[in-house]
Amino acid sequence: AQRVTQPEKLLSVFKGAPVELKCNYSYSGSPELFWYVQYSRQRLQLLLRHISRESIKGFTADLNKGETSFHLKKPFAQEEDSAMYYCALIAYSGGYQKVTFGTGTKLQVIP
Amino acid sequence: ETGVTQTPRHLVMGMTNKKSLKCEQHLGHNAMYWYKQSAKKPLELMFVYSLEERVENNSVPSRFSPECPNSSHLFLHLHTLQPEDSALYLCASSRQEGSGTEAFFGQGTRLTVV
Repeated sequence: AQRVTQPEKLLSVFKGAPVELKCNYSYSGSPELFWYVQYSRQRLQLLLRHISRESIKGFTADLNKGETSFHLKKPFAQEEDSAMYYCALIAYSGGYQKVTFGTGTKLQVIP
Repeated sequence: ETGVTQTPRHLVMGMTNKKSLKCEQHLGHNAMYWYKQSAKKPLELMFVYSLEERVENNSVPSRFSPECPNSSHLFLHLHTLQPEDSALYLCASSRQEGSGTEAFFGQGTRLTVV
């Protein structure tokens, strides 16, 4: 069974400070990992996916299979980054895709 | 509206009522999901439908009854709910085939059971 762990429920940083949202996973197969973001009063939406190796809104995340981690990073936090962030893992089981989310980390950027 | 649409956006119901939540997607996806989002458990998978067949039921009480009549529509029928069932219910859809396919979410139905 797969599991996604986000150890921090709340992360508060000052504007301009670096951000790192932690995510660890447990999965016996080859994982596909994503970060989703939920801004206040908006729907949950995809932020980035590991296979794209892209940077979205200044955020990056590198899959570290040795440490089974997929931490989300941004060098300089902005106030508009304040939101709820969820790490997610996609596993294929019995011919269908199952998405498992972590419990989420609330990022609070202090002006 | 494109993407995943959920109706109603807000619902208040009594414990003896019967109501249904509706989800519709026009993305050509073939898998649909119901999630429950509350303060205690932020994102809790309830049901998964793949190719219109229920493939997962995460120990959800029988007072929640899903229905997937076709690949574009998903319902969650509610009856004799409890106040602790008050939460945001999210629908999502995705493609089952291929890698790197993310789930798209609706805006949710805010359910209050009184």
